[in-house]
Amino acid sequence: AQSVAQPEDQVNVAEGNPLTVKCTYSVSGNPYLFWYVQYPNRGLQFLLKYITGDNLVKGSYGFEAEFNKSQTSFHLKKPSALVSDSALYFCAVRDFRMDSSYKLIFGSGTRLLVRP
Amino acid sequence: EAQVTQNPRYLITVTGKKLTVTCSQNMNHEYMSWYRQDPGLGLRQIYYSMNVEVTDKGDVPEGYKVSRKEKRNFPLILESPSPNQTSLYFCASSPGTSGINEQFFGPGTRLTVL
Repeated sequence: AQSVAQPEDQVNVAEGNPLTVKCTYSVSGNPYLFWYVQYPNRGLQFLLKYITGDNLVKGSYGFEAEFNKSQTSFHLKKPSALVSDSALYFCAVRDFRMDSSYKLIFGSGTRLLVRP
Repeated sequence: EAQVTQNPRYLITVTGKKLTVTCSQNMNHEYMSWYRQDPGLGLRQIYYSMNVEVTDKGDVPEGYKVSRKEKRNFPLILESPSPNQTSLYFCASSPGTSGINEQFFGPGTRLTVL
């Protein structure tokens, strides 16, 4: 079965330091991978996706993610964290069904806390 | 402005009282979906729709109904709500039906069932 794991409930980092939010996946076939961010009292917002091509994907707000097929990982990164990056981050993978429909499978989420 | 709207944003109700949460998108998207978000569980899909009159169950469909009579609207119906349906609900839409595109999310509906 397809699945996504975010092994850390919370990540703490100081402002200005690099940050990494981890995601591993299990999927048959080629994965379509996504990162979303949720700010307090808001819906999810799309950050970036990997479909094919370059393993390093750049997205919104200075975030990037590295697709690693051998490690089945898609970690989210940012070179220099901002306090305003503090939010809940979700990794997701597309689960393609036999009837040509699909769904997104989400990880449990990682809360990022950037301290001043 | 391109957006997904949900109403109401907050709702407190009692067990057994039928309710509907509306969802509308103005982007002409084919794909629409309902999720519930619970602490530690991430988002779980309730129902989805690939297009008008085409709906199917997600991972947690029990106790919910949906309909897709128009492309823009995808209401979520709880015929007889129970306390275990207390949750934060999100509607989302996406262009196409391949899953290659990102989903656009509504602001959420926080439902409490007493």
